[in-house]
Amino acid sequence: GNSVTQMEGPVTLSEEAFLTINCTYTATGYPSLFWYVQYPGEGLQLLLKATKADDKGSNKGFEATYRKETTSFHLEKGSVQVSDSAVYFCALSDWGGSEKLVFGKGTKLTVNP
Amino acid sequence: GAVVSQHPSWVICKSGTSVKIECRSLDFQATTMFWYRQFPKQSLMLMATSNEGSKATYEQGVEKDKFLINHASLTLSTLTVTSAHPEDSSFYICSARGFASGFNNEQFFGPGTRLTVL
Repeated sequence: GNSVTQMEGPVTLSEEAFLTINCTYTATGYPSLFWYVQYPGEGLQLLLKATKADDKGSNKGFEATYRKETTSFHLEKGSVQVSDSAVYFCALSDWGGSEKLVFGKGTKLTVNP
Repeated sequence: GAVVSQHPSWVICKSGTSVKIECRSLDFQATTMFWYRQFPKQSLMLMATSNEGSKATYEQGVEKDKFLINHASLTLSTLTVTSAHPEDSSFYICSARGFASGFNNEQFFGPGTRLTVL
């Protein structure tokens, strides 16, 4: 079955540091890939997505590239801010419309001033 | 963006009682709602998918008589945990998907409900 593996946290960085959160997946066919973010006390929000190989999703300075050859979708940001502190979830769906999302375990990021 | 609320945000109940959790789409009509549960340090696991006016579709291993889902309107779905036991203690999250243009079939998530069964 489909599965998502993401790096375990927690991750603690200083402001303006470079961020990478690794995500790899196992899936049949050609899934769509997503990153969700959950800020304290709020619901998950879609951060970015990619629907086919070599697509790059980007939003709010975050980027992730759909790498079919390595089955990866790593999240990166060049300079994190305190406001980026949240839990980040990598997810996949067999269908581009985010039907039946399969999630990773989540990675908690804390950014210190 | 679209907003989804859940009520209550946390609940403590005695073993053997039933608990109802509400999920509402506040500013859009949700044709489909999803229910997930999350154990500590684990990923969200889809429990069931419900379409307005029809019976929910449960994922393999989820007891439909234990977790009753009702999606009676385009803005409200409820999850009732019947005869709750301590092993049902978990974080329950709903999401909603609307048919309005511009949403691109995206799921919008509620903030979750923490259930503790004593």
